[in-house]
Amino acid sequence: EAQVTQNPRYLITVTGKKLTVTCSQNMNHEYMSWYRQDPGLGLRQIYYSMNVEVTDKGDVPEGYKVSRKEKRNFPLILESPSPNQTSLYFCASSAGGGPSSYNEQFFGPGTRLTVL
Amino acid sequence: AQSVTQPDIHITVSEGASLELRCNYSYGATPYLFWYVQSPGQGLQLLLKYFSGDTLVQGIKGFEAEFKRSQSSFNLRKPSVHWSDAAEYFCAVGGPRDDKIIFGKGTRLHILP
Repeated sequence: EAQVTQNPRYLITVTGKKLTVTCSQNMNHEYMSWYRQDPGLGLRQIYYSMNVEVTDKGDVPEGYKVSRKEKRNFPLILESPSPNQTSLYFCASSAGGGPSSYNEQFFGPGTRLTVL
Repeated sequence: AQSVTQPDIHITVSEGASLELRCNYSYGATPYLFWYVQSPGQGLQLLLKYFSGDTLVQGIKGFEAEFKRSQSSFNLRKPSVHWSDAAEYFCAVGGPRDDKIIFGKGTRLHILP
């Protein structure tokens, strides 16, 4: 089944404790992206990657890191999480030129992160 | 600057009634427009998209949307809603040279039995 998977689905952590949220897709998509969703703010893009070893900042990259060493994986790293990073995070992927193209963007199920 | 406005944060309709969700965009050229749906506890799913051509586009789950350039709008419609349509709906805009799309803040749809 074609899908985007994220782990963990739920995470409660404390300020300053490094964490990684994994994202993997099995559709051989070139484009991958991370979003955060907050009430009243909709989805905001954190980072995206057009292909392996190519990453770019989205609208809210501060406090986050990403890497794209393999085509299928795009982990999101929070080196020193803070309470304002408490949010619902989505990973997404699409083929070719990314979401603003003829290729549909597929979303993972989300990771709910709470930073105390 | 690119932007998307969804004027209604919440909308409530009765099951079987018609639905229209509003979306207004700001974009410097011919936009690509999208509607996504997020069911409770799920990720987003693409309902439909407009790139060019016929301004009335059909999507999945019986939804359609109409692009009106003069009004900078891309409203989503459904003639008869079902309880399973209760979800949050996001409009988004991008363009042919963009490597990302901009989402609106969403409209949460509630269905009365």
